[in-house]
This record gives sequence, C-alpha cells and structure tokens, in this order.
Amino acid sequence: GQNIDQPTEMTATEGAIVQINCTYQTSGFNGLFWYQQHAGEAPTFLSYNVLDGLEEKGRFSSFLSRSKGYSYLLLKELQMKDSASYLCAVREDNYGQNFVFGPGTRLSVLP
Amino acid sequence: KAGVTQTPRYLIKTRGQQVTLSCSPISGHRSVSWYQQTPGQGLQFLFEYFSETQRNKGNFPGRFSGRQFSNSRSEMNVSTLELGDSALYLCASSRTPTSVDEQFFGPGTRLTVL
Repeated sequence: GQNIDQPTEMTATEGAIVQINCTYQTSGFNGLFWYQQHAGEAPTFLSYNVLDGLEEKGRFSSFLSRSKGYSYLLLKELQMKDSASYLCAVREDNYGQNFVFGPGTRLSVLP
Repeated sequence: KAGVTQTPRYLIKTRGQQVTLSCSPISGHRSVSWYQQTPGQGLQFLFEYFSETQRNKGNFPGRFSGRQFSNSRSEMNVSTLELGDSALYLCASSRTPTSVDEQFFGPGTRLTVL
C-alpha cells in the first residue's frame, strides 16, 4: 500500500533552522519531491531527490535515504514568509506523474 | 511565460448537479494531472493525461472523468455531485509524463457543493 508520514505541525523561530521529516512506504519509487504551499495558494516546487544524499538549493536542502524510506527538508535562516505547509510527495513509477502526497507539515515561524 | 491557468476559480453547485473544470497548461507542456485537495484527505491524485490519452487514474469513482484536447488543454467533469466532492481541484502540468522536472500547479478551482 501507500503510506507517507510527516509531522502535522512544527513551530520555529525566525533565523533558526528546522528539519521536516518524511517517511514513506510506496509500491514504487521514482523520486521524492518537496512542495511548499501557502494557505489558499497552489503548491510550489522546492526540491527533488531520486538518488541518496543531500540536494542543496539556497536556504533549502533535501535529503533522501531510499533504503530507509526516509527524507527530510532542511530550512535554514528561517524567515516569516516560510510559514506554510510543506508537502512530501513520492512519484511511484516512471510512466507518469501520479504523485502520492503526504498529509503536509504546517510550519509556523515566530518572531 | 504564463503559468498554469484554471477556470473557474470558484464554483458553487448543489447535490446531483454536474460540473466541468478547465485547465490550460504552461505553453509546451503536454502532460496534465489533476488532484483533489481536502482538509481531511490532503492532496489526492485523480488522473493524468498526455497526448489526449489518460495514462494514469487514481482511486476515484467513475463520476470523475476527464479529457485532454489536441492543444493540451484539459477538462475534468464530476457528475452527480455529492457533498464530499467539495474541495480544491488542482491541475498541474509538466513537459512529459517522465520529465524529471517538477510539476507546476495552477491556482486551483474551489468547488463547494451544497
């Protein structure tokens, strides 16, 4: 079956670092994606991992361990505008764009 | 470059009616996917179209259907609406189904069923 878990909510302080974890069990695996979604808006792409290791993109980094079915998104130098939901998604096969999304983690950044 | 556009942005219908939502992908993108987002279930995959053919379908009843036109624009239809169909319907486009690029999402259509 398909199962993707993320913490429901997290709180952090402006300027700090936060790590959002994601564990998955899916029938196939062809990449793990992280999306950011502000309230009332569409998700926007943050990062993509298909091989084990760390991918860095500015203040955001994402890590993947395929053997452990585990990923995390690291946000550095938090800003107020980073308050949003963060969605972990797995693309199960190489034949299409049918993503399986996790429930999302609502991050609140406090001053 | 224009993004993914969806129309209408908001829609109110009553139970039993049917609705058609439209999605225009980014120019040059030929793969279009549809998702339903609700507070309880999160984002769930509905179906994906490429070259006017449905390639993948999620676990939704047959009341949910879609199609894609030769210009890559896509529509989804929901017949015999139920209260539980109230949701944000998101469309996403990518160049091809196997693109390792990210999907780009449209702003969504907020459907309310009364």
